Amino acid sequence: SALTQPASLSESPGQSITISCTGTSSDVGSYNLVSWYQHRPGKAPKLMIYGDTERPSGVSNRFSGSKSGSTASLTISGLQAEDEADYYCCSFAGSATYVFGTGTKVTVL
Amino acid sequence: QVQVVQSGAEMKKPGASVKVSCKASAYNLNNYYVHWVRQAPGQGLEWMGVINGNDGTANYAKQFQGRVILTRDTSTGTIYLELSSLRSEDTALYYCAREPAPGTSFFDDWGQGTLVTVSS
Repeated sequence: SALTQPASLSESPGQSITISCTGTSSDVGSYNLVSWYQHRPGKAPKLMIYGDTERPSGVSNRFSGSKSGSTASLTISGLQAEDEADYYCCSFAGSATYVFGTGTKVTVL
Repeated sequence: QVQVVQSGAEMKKPGASVKVSCKASAYNLNNYYVHWVRQAPGQGLEWMGVINGNDGTANYAKQFQGRVILTRDTSTGTIYLELSSLRSEDTALYYCAREPAPGTSFFDDWGQGTLVTVSS
């Protein structure tokens, strides 16, 4: 079953938002293997965070990841217009399978 | 620049099969685990399966088992997704994505997506 994310979040430029990603003890809660993707219409998804908290080179340090129990979070600080996109979490779920979150539409007001 | 290139859009009738290809321009996908993810219109991302490019072994999401086959062509470095018994609900954008090293469990390089439309 898909990981649970809020359907939408909106905030003003310069502010911060946090997107939650709630799973279970079989996926998010069992492995340090949550990743986050930014997805803009017509584009391929872009990796923003991996291994719960690691940021790939080239990704702005305004993006950060955290996790507590079976809930992972992506925080975007200093919101910019270019951050407007859909965001998805993804977790390893054991037995060589993966599960994505339901997705969150971020709107910069 | 686009590193991972997928085959073009497909239009299929219900009950037919479709085969989508995925090839990297700057490296050999047969050296990696390659995942397939789809997005139906208005829906979220859905993980379908993964193939080990080194030995061809594959694992599939439960909801696709029996209908999807992932294969590789070692001579061309191309990875394939074949989905059979198509229904209208399979209309979606299909992506391949590279896992950079075994066990890293994230996807760092994605294809541009292939639109598969299923309609009578």
